[in-house]
Amino acid sequence: KAGVTQTPRYLIKTRGQQVTLSCSPISGHRSVSWYQQTPGQGLQFLFEYFSETQRNKGNFPGRFSGRQFSNSRSEMNVSTLELGDSALYLCASSFRTGTPNYGYTFGSGTRLTVV
Amino acid sequence: GQQVMQIPQYQHVQEGEDFTTYCNSSTTLSNIQWYKQRPGGHPVFLIQLVKSGEVKKQKRLTFQFGEAKKNSSLHITATQTTDVGTYFCAHPLGGNEKLTFGTGTRLTIIP
Repeated sequence: KAGVTQTPRYLIKTRGQQVTLSCSPISGHRSVSWYQQTPGQGLQFLFEYFSETQRNKGNFPGRFSGRQFSNSRSEMNVSTLELGDSALYLCASSFRTGTPNYGYTFGSGTRLTVV
Repeated sequence: GQQVMQIPQYQHVQEGEDFTTYCNSSTTLSNIQWYKQRPGGHPVFLIQLVKSGEVKKQKRLTFQFGEAKKNSSLHITATQTTDVGTYFCAHPLGGNEKLTFGTGTRLTIIP
């Protein structure tokens, strides 16, 4: 079956702009989690959505937001971009909320560069 | 708050040598997962450990969960070039069990 699909793969934005990233989970998976990966901070949890509801939120400013649609596809939005938002944004899907014993399946990520 | 330290941060080994990475927590973990991320790639789930003292093997990889469920290790026997990447431990944190990742150990192989 198809894996987790993230679009776009690469993105270059200017400071102050906003950006929307998309994630399509594995068919049948209802939980989508977002992570930010940077060389300095590693993998940091942004938020998790399950059945269109935000279940968990990490320690990121309000400029970072997300949503999930009825087909489980998820989007995350970052407004008023800062240079420090440059990172690899990873989406992970699972069948249920919480930590599944079969692990998360990650997408290939969106590499965001803010200039 | 709960923190998981992963060591070492980097490891360079000759091909054929063994490799071990460790995760240490200040508090008891309900379970721990391990992921591998190849250079330029994304994390891929390897295994989950749940029971105290649990040991699981996947070919040349051996995973252990400490008796007190506060530490875990991943050992690779006779490394190969395909083992190159960053190995992360991860554990659930918080009431809704969001997965929190360790800092990772980057393994490079010297041919």
